[in-house]
Amino acid sequence: QQQVKQSPQSLIVQKGGISIINCAYENTAFDYFPWYQQFPGKGPALLIAIRPDVSEKKEGRFTISFNKSAKQFSLHIMDSQPGDSATYFCAVKGGGGFKTIFGAGTRLFVKA
Amino acid sequence: DGGITQSPKYLFRKEGQNVTLSCEQNLNHDAMYWYRQDPGQGLRLIYYSQIVNDFQKGDIAEGYSVSREKKESFPLTVTSAQKNPTAFYLCASSIDASSGANVLTFGAGSRLTVL
Repeated sequence: QQQVKQSPQSLIVQKGGISIINCAYENTAFDYFPWYQQFPGKGPALLIAIRPDVSEKKEGRFTISFNKSAKQFSLHIMDSQPGDSATYFCAVKGGGGFKTIFGAGTRLFVKA
Repeated sequence: DGGITQSPKYLFRKEGQNVTLSCEQNLNHDAMYWYRQDPGQGLRLIYYSQIVNDFQKGDIAEGYSVSREKKESFPLTVTSAQKNPTAFYLCASSIDASSGANVLTFGAGSRLTVL
């Protein structure tokens, strides 16, 4: 059973454009929603995270939008740069569980 | 610098052999994890450990074994019982496993290829 569904699988964006990656989850008990960024040959690293008590969180060019009623959250990358080219994973945690559950990942390529 | 060290970075194994992947952390984290990464499938949890001498199966534990004899170390053995072991293996740690804002710190990964 897939507890978090991520889309799209891959994304190509022009430099300066907006990259948008979406995730949907099923368990309303989840209470922590992080995004991880992974460059080729490296391990993922935390990019930004949100709790369900706010609808949006912004850190520099990266913004998480959270829709609790729809059980969806998304990552927006403003003014996308070639250095943002990486794989992005959404994740969920909570409900008393000890596991962080990851989406399938989105490969982003920003064209110069 | 604090972090997680995984070794080896690349490993080749013949069918029927067991191999052990090393994971060491100097972050003083209580919890450690092993994930497997396959293209298009995200990260799937193999095993996790909340404290020394204790560990639990994740979602895909069959064919794998772990030990947690020291806080700093969480080695993963890929046994011959694992039918499709070729993958990228990631070790991670966190301050603890139970806290809600559970930030995972990952190592650089080990790529295992079965010949």
